[in-house]
Amino acid sequence: KNEVEQSPQNLTAQEGEFITINCSYSVGISALHWLQQHPGGGIVSLFMLSSGKKKHGRLIATINIQEKHSSLHITASHPRDSAVYICAVAFGNQFYFGTGTSLTVIP
Amino acid sequence: DSGVTQTPKHLITATGQRVTLRCSPRSGDLSVYWYQQSLDQGLQFLIQYYNGEERAKGNILERFSAQQFPDLHSELNLSSLELGDSALYFCASSVALTSGDYNEQFFGPGTRLTVL
Repeated sequence: KNEVEQSPQNLTAQEGEFITINCSYSVGISALHWLQQHPGGGIVSLFMLSSGKKKHGRLIATINIQEKHSSLHITASHPRDSAVYICAVAFGNQFYFGTGTSLTVIP
Repeated sequence: DSGVTQTPKHLITATGQRVTLRCSPRSGDLSVYWYQQSLDQGLQFLIQYYNGEERAKGNILERFSAQQFPDLHSELNLSSLELGDSALYFCASSVALTSGDYNEQFFGPGTRLTVL
């Protein structure tokens, strides 16, 4: 049983497109993280959410606690956004990860 | 640069051996987390320390152990290594006012372990 489901698994977009990555979870959470992992392997935390919406530059993250769902949006996508995006939830004192969405943005 | 350092970057060893991975958190961060990322299992939470004390355990094998020292650096010890232990091991740190706080985590660059 996977507590965190992400979709799509793979996504290819043209530069400039609006992108949405979805994350659904099955447990009551304390917080949800969106992470970015570049081909070199390094992981960067993009957002931590427990409610509502957060925006940073071209990135927007939303969470609906009642529906147990979060979305990560990228506006005006750029080739440098190409990476794996991972949703992670904090449940009690445990952390569960989605399998990631591999995004490729083509110039 | 997240401010979290991990050493070594790469480690190649043989089955049955023991290795120690080291993590230095960002200055002022009291919480340290260890994660394993393998090709077949993805990212998995191993263990969390808060100010020197173990706070939470995830999918950590009995062959693995960790500790956080008074200067807040942490070590992950992996023993009786098996081929399946080959993975990227990440450390992350966060500011936490209490052990129950959830805060943004800052990840180190990882240690790539290869067991031959």
